[in-house]
This record gives sequence, structure tokens and C-alpha cells, in this order.
Amino acid sequence: SQTIHQWPATLVQPVGSPLSLECTVEGTSNPNLYWYRQAAGRGLQLLFYSVGIGQISSEVPQNLSASRPQDRQFILSSKKLLLSDSGFYLCAWSATGSNEKLFFGSGTQLSVL
Amino acid sequence: GQSLEQPSEVTAVEGAIVQINCTYQTSGFYGLSWYQQHDGGAPTFLSYNALDGLEETGRFSSFLSRSDSYGYLLLQELQMKDSASYFCAVRAPDSNYQLIWGAGTKLIIKP
Repeated sequence: SQTIHQWPATLVQPVGSPLSLECTVEGTSNPNLYWYRQAAGRGLQLLFYSVGIGQISSEVPQNLSASRPQDRQFILSSKKLLLSDSGFYLCAWSATGSNEKLFFGSGTQLSVL
Repeated sequence: GQSLEQPSEVTAVEGAIVQINCTYQTSGFYGLSWYQQHDGGAPTFLSYNALDGLEETGRFSSFLSRSDSYGYLLLQELQMKDSASYFCAVRAPDSNYQLIWGAGTKLIIKP
């Protein structure tokens, strides 16, 4: 069966510090991968998605970046965090051609202070 | 522009039936998905409608009317564990086929 791992669960970082969130998927090949952000009590904002290794599409211009160094690994990074980067970050995967059905990781609650 | 509208909050009684509506405005449409998210948790997929009509999965059903740009999620025999936020999301060609999300409906269930 397929599983998705996302870590850490919570993170408190000072303004201006770097960020690296990692997500890995098991039990499937060539998944579509996604990074979402959710503000408290709000909907989901798509940040990045990837249909293959090294292929990253950015939906929202910001100081975040994403990379996909391996087929089932997706990394969200920032060189210098802003206060506005605080939020709940969710990694997700879907099967190729089936992106109406996303499977989410457990999320990372990021607080930038 | 592209937008989805759903009520911000719905209250119902345990054991009752509740309907959560979603209207969408997109340039093109492939289908409507529904997700459930408990507080502090991740969204989980509930259903997907690409064609008009009702899809039933246990206590949950989802309906779509493409001509009305409208869908709803129907929850029957409500249980306390159904207290969560419910999101509708549209898959459309003008969003590079990625999901466009509604802001979510918080379902409050009273005993």
C-alpha cells in the first residue's frame, strides 16, 4: 500500500532562518507531488507541484522553493523565512492522471517568530 | 476568475442529515472533489464527481449538476466524529488541471 511521510510535525523558526521540509512517498512510482500551505481556519493554497524528477511548477511567487531530487522525494525550502511564511504545510501525492484524488501527509505546523 | 463558494459553517444534530453546498465559477470543468479535514489533521479524500448525478459511498453522498455549476455533499446518520471541515475542489483545465479549493465548511454536530 502507498504511504506518505512528512516531517517534522512542528517547527518553530526565527525570522531570516532557512527552512527545509521533506516529504517521501512509498509504494508507488512516478507520483505527482504537491506542496500546499493552509492558514488557520482557511482553505488550501497550492505552492508547488511536480510531475517528475526535476520538474517543478510554482503557483505562487514567494521566497519558497521546491525540489524533487528523487522520484518519490519532495523538498520545500527557503533561504530566509518571513513572518508570513507561518502556516500549516501539507505534502500530497496523486497518481499520474488522477489529480482529483490527493493523498496528504500529516502536515508540518511552522511558526516563524 | 475562478472561484468556489461554500458556507463557512453548518450546524446539525447527531443522527440527522446535513447537506453542504458548493457553487463554482471556472473556465472549464472536469470534476468536483470533496475532502474532509479534522482539526489539526490532514485532508482526506471523500468523493469525486465528473458527471451529473449522485454518487453514494456509505453514509456520504455527493451530487453534481454541471449545468448549474453546483454540487453538494450529503452526510446521513451524523455521528460526532463527522465534526470536521469539508472542502470542495474543482479540477479545471485553466488551472493546469490542478485542484481549485473552496475555503471550507466547518460542520458542527450537537448531541
